[in-house]
Amino acid sequence: GAVVSQHPSRVICKSGTSVKIECRSLDFQATTMFWYRQFPKQSLMLMATSNEGSKATYEQGVEKDKFLINHASLTLSTLTVTSAHPEDSSFYICSARPGTSGGAGEQYFGPGTRLTVT
Amino acid sequence: KQEVTQIPAALSVPEGENLVLNCSFTDSAIYNLQWFRQDPGKGLTSLLLIQSSQREQTSGRLNASLDKSSGRSTLYIAASQPGDSATYLCAPDNYGQNFVFGPGTRLSVLP
Repeated sequence: GAVVSQHPSRVICKSGTSVKIECRSLDFQATTMFWYRQFPKQSLMLMATSNEGSKATYEQGVEKDKFLINHASLTLSTLTVTSAHPEDSSFYICSARPGTSGGAGEQYFGPGTRLTVT
Repeated sequence: KQEVTQIPAALSVPEGENLVLNCSFTDSAIYNLQWFRQDPGKGLTSLLLIQSSQREQTSGRLNASLDKSSGRSTLYIAASQPGDSATYLCAPDNYGQNFVFGPGTRLSVLP
């Protein structure tokens, strides 16, 4: 089956520093990847849609200058949380949709990255 | 804007019972709907994907139905087991662009 990996699985950083999270599709190519955030006991909320070779599309209320997304290849998207603060502590999950032409279809999710900002 | 609700929010049952989890969504113009399970502190595991043209999908003890016109989907779990304990999320795929997740149903199956 299609596998999506995330690295790191857990990260603790100090307030004011930046953290990069990687999302990789291991056995398929994906033009489109998605980044979600999940706070404790809440459901997943879409942060942004990452498009290979173009700018990410951010959901309303998500600061694009704070959450930098780079979709450098058809198998890799990165999310950088810049100048992290304790309120950014959350569970970040990425997903990828197989295919190189966009459109509808099943999404495959990574295992998530737990970010703790002290 | 798509809104998704799930009922019940939490459910605790003895092992062996058959269960029905409900998902409702406001915008019926979807391409598909996916059911996931999430274990505490973990990522998502895809359970079933139903295309908009389909009425139901089955995988083992799981059966999901979709009534797109009424904005409803149901996940049926037969002969529940303690290993089924998790949070179950439904996610209609809106206009083929992204998922909108429901708040989830937290299931606990007691041995």
